[in-house]
Amino acid sequence: GNSVTQMEGPVTLSEEAFLTINCTYTATGYPSLFWYVQYPGEGLQLLLKATKADDKGSNKGFEATYRKETTSFHLEKGSVQVSDSAVYFCALVLLSGGYQKVTFGTGTKLQVIP
Amino acid sequence: NAGVTQTPKFQVLKTGQSMTLQCAQDMNHNSMYWYRQDPGMGLRLIYYSASEGTTDKGEVPNGYNVSRLNKREFSLRLESAAPSQTSVYFCASRRDRARTENQPQHFGDGTRLSIL
Repeated sequence: GNSVTQMEGPVTLSEEAFLTINCTYTATGYPSLFWYVQYPGEGLQLLLKATKADDKGSNKGFEATYRKETTSFHLEKGSVQVSDSAVYFCALVLLSGGYQKVTFGTGTKLQVIP
Repeated sequence: NAGVTQTPKFQVLKTGQSMTLQCAQDMNHNSMYWYRQDPGMGLRLIYYSASEGTTDKGEVPNGYNVSRLNKREFSLRLESAAPSQTSVYFCASRRDRARTENQPQHFGDGTRLSIL
């Protein structure tokens, strides 16, 4: 079956530090890979995505590269801000029987301190 | 743009009570989804509706029922609430008729449900 494994949090960083949140997956077929972000009290929002191997998704200074050889999609940011504090979910996305089947990781909470 | 609207935002129930969680989207999306979010478990799919008039079970459907009332609205009902159903519930919608998996789901802000 399909699964997503994320590093456990919380991750606590000082402002302007470098961020990496690891994500690995197992999948049948050819999935797309997404990162969603959840700010306190809100629903999930798409942060970035990649649809095939070697694609790089990027948004708001965050980047992630779809690595088929290592089955990974690690999230990185060069300099985090306090406003980046949130929970980040890695997700594997496939079409299944006419609907979009999303397998979510367990989420990684990021706390950025001034 | 309201996007995906869920009501209520918070609710406390006693074991055995029933309740309907409401969800409406104003983006003319075709497919709609109900998830529950529990600590350390990510989001798990309860039910989905690929299009108006159709509903199907997801990963954890037991204890729930759904109704796709029209294209905009997709409700989730707990007939006899149990403490194990204490969770945060999210509704989501997606535009495409599944021609491609690349388009993201759009989420509401959630309903925090506690069952005593």
